[in-house]
Amino acid sequence: GDSVTQMEGPVTLSEEAFLTINCTYTATGYPSLFWYVQYPGEGLQLLLKATKADDKGSNKGFEATYRKETTSFHLEKGSVQVSDSAVYFCALSDNSGNTPLVFGKGTRLSVIA
Amino acid sequence: GAVVSQHPSWVICKSGTSVKIECRSLDFQATTMFWYRQFPKQSLMLMATSNEGSKATYEQGVEKDKFLINHASLTLSTLTVTSAHPEDSSFYICSALVGEADTQYFGPGTRLTVL
Repeated sequence: GDSVTQMEGPVTLSEEAFLTINCTYTATGYPSLFWYVQYPGEGLQLLLKATKADDKGSNKGFEATYRKETTSFHLEKGSVQVSDSAVYFCALSDNSGNTPLVFGKGTRLSVIA
Repeated sequence: GAVVSQHPSWVICKSGTSVKIECRSLDFQATTMFWYRQFPKQSLMLMATSNEGSKATYEQGVEKDKFLINHASLTLSTLTVTSAHPEDSSFYICSALVGEADTQYFGPGTRLTVL
């Protein structure tokens, strides 16, 4: 079945550091790919998405490019802030209609001033 | 973007009681909603898929008689945890599928603590 693997955390960075959170997937067909963010005590918020190969999703300084050849969707940000501290989930949808998301295990990011 | 609300946001109950959690799509109609469960520091586990006007589809290992799901309208799905026990304590999150799009919008979650 479909699956998502993302790097284990926690990840601790200093403010203004460069962030990469790796995410790879296994899926049949052509899934849509997502990054969700969960701030402490809150539900998930969609951060960005990409629906086809070579698409780049971006939001709030975060970017991720859908790489079909490497089945990856790595999340990057050039300069993190303390307010970016959260848990980040990579997910996919197989686009077959009304299907739930398949989530990675999440990566906890802590940014220190 | 689409807004999904959950109520209550936090509930504490005694063992053996039942708790109902509501999930509402505030500015759109959702024919499909999903219920997830999240244990501390873990990922989301899909419990069931809720379709308006039909029975929910439960994932393997989820007791449908314990976790009752009702999707009576296009804007409301409810999850009732019946005869709750301490092991049911968790963070329950719903999501709604927007139209025919593949994007799900999540509610803020409900933290259930069973004493």
